[in-house]
Parts: sequence; structure tokens; C-alpha cells
Amino acid sequence: DQQVKQNSPSLSVQEGRISILNCDYTNSMFDYFLWYKKYPAEGPTFLISISSIKDKNEDGRFTVFLNKSAKHLSLHIVPSQPGDSAVYFCAASVNGNKLVFGAGTILRVKS
Amino acid sequence: DTAVSQTPKYLVTQMGNDKSIKCEQNLGHDTMYWYKQDSKKFLKIMFSYNNKELIINETVPNRFSPKSPDKAHLNLHINSLELGDSAVYFCASSQREGNGELFFGEGSRLTVL
Repeated sequence: DQQVKQNSPSLSVQEGRISILNCDYTNSMFDYFLWYKKYPAEGPTFLISISSIKDKNEDGRFTVFLNKSAKHLSLHIVPSQPGDSAVYFCAASVNGNKLVFGAGTILRVKS
Repeated sequence: DTAVSQTPKYLVTQMGNDKSIKCEQNLGHDTMYWYKQDSKKFLKIMFSYNNKELIINETVPNRFSPKSPDKAHLNLHINSLELGDSAVYFCASSQREGNGELFFGEGSRLTVL
């Protein structure tokens, strides 16, 4: 029973264009959402987060949007760069405890 | 200077053996975790320790036993290894319990033959 779902296993985007990674969740108690980025042979690194009281959080080229009614969040990267090529994990928690991760989406940014 | 370090990075062993994976963090964090990434790539929490005290213990076989000698270390010992234990195990830490921003180690790939 996957509470956090990333339905797109992979995404390919041209350099300079926008990358949109999607995530759906089923547990309405989740109140904190995060995105992690992972390069091969490395551990995931924290990228950006959003609290359920907000619907948008922006940090440089990265913006996370939260639609609570749809139980959906997305990560926008613009402009996309080749160095953004990695696996992106969506994660959610209740009060920051026990993060539940999605299966990840492989992003490839082509130059 | 690695913030969360785990050893070994790769481990190949036979079924039935006992093995340990060590983890150390130099971030001064109070909470440490073990996550397992299985063949389907999901990262699932196994254990969480806060200041050497077990906080989260997910449905994990008794063959898995975490040990926290101090708040900077959380080791994972696995008895009687099975084929299904093959996975990448990630150690992580966070500043306090309930802070969702985790710092992960590089992972330890365990292969059971």
C-alpha cells in the first residue's frame, strides 16, 4: 500500500526547458512534503520542502507546488540543466516523522 | 569531511551469515535512521533512534538489530542473512526527531548469494 506515488518512472527534458515531476499521496494526514535528489552511488540529498499550510515554495530554479484537495504535489525545475539529471524522490510525513518515500523519477536533461 | 558515513559500501556474503553495517554522523544530530531501498527502488524506514533511544521500529524481522552506542553512531546487525535481504541500506540523520530533512549516507549495497 503505497501512500506516496510517483507514477512516472522517468522523464526526459531538453536543456533550458522546464522539468515537471509529479507526486500523488493518499494519506490526508501528511502535513510536510519534501523532494530529494539522488545521484548514482550517492545517498539522497534534500532539495526543497513545503508545509501543508502553503501551496507553493520557491528556491532558485526549484519550485514545489502543493494541491491538497487533489493530494498532489509537483516539482518544477526551470531552466533545466544537465547537472539536474538524477533520481528525484518525493517524500511525505506527519509532523516530520517517519518519512514515506515514493519510488522516484529518473530525470534526464539532454544538452 | 563526510557528514554521514557508512561502512562497508559494498558487501557480498552467503546466506546464513551474520553481518554488520556501521554508520557515523558528525553533524551533531540527535536522531538517526536506517532505510532500506529494495529492488523496486522504494526507500522504506526500518529504524529510528533519538539520542540512543529506539523511536521507530517498523515491521522488520528480528534478525535485524540496530545498536546505538552513542548518538553519533547507529549500527545495523543482520543475523542469518536471506536472499531477500539483498538491498541498499541507507543510514540518515536529522537535527531532531520530527525534522523531516534527513541527511543520508552513501548507502551500503548488500548482496546475499
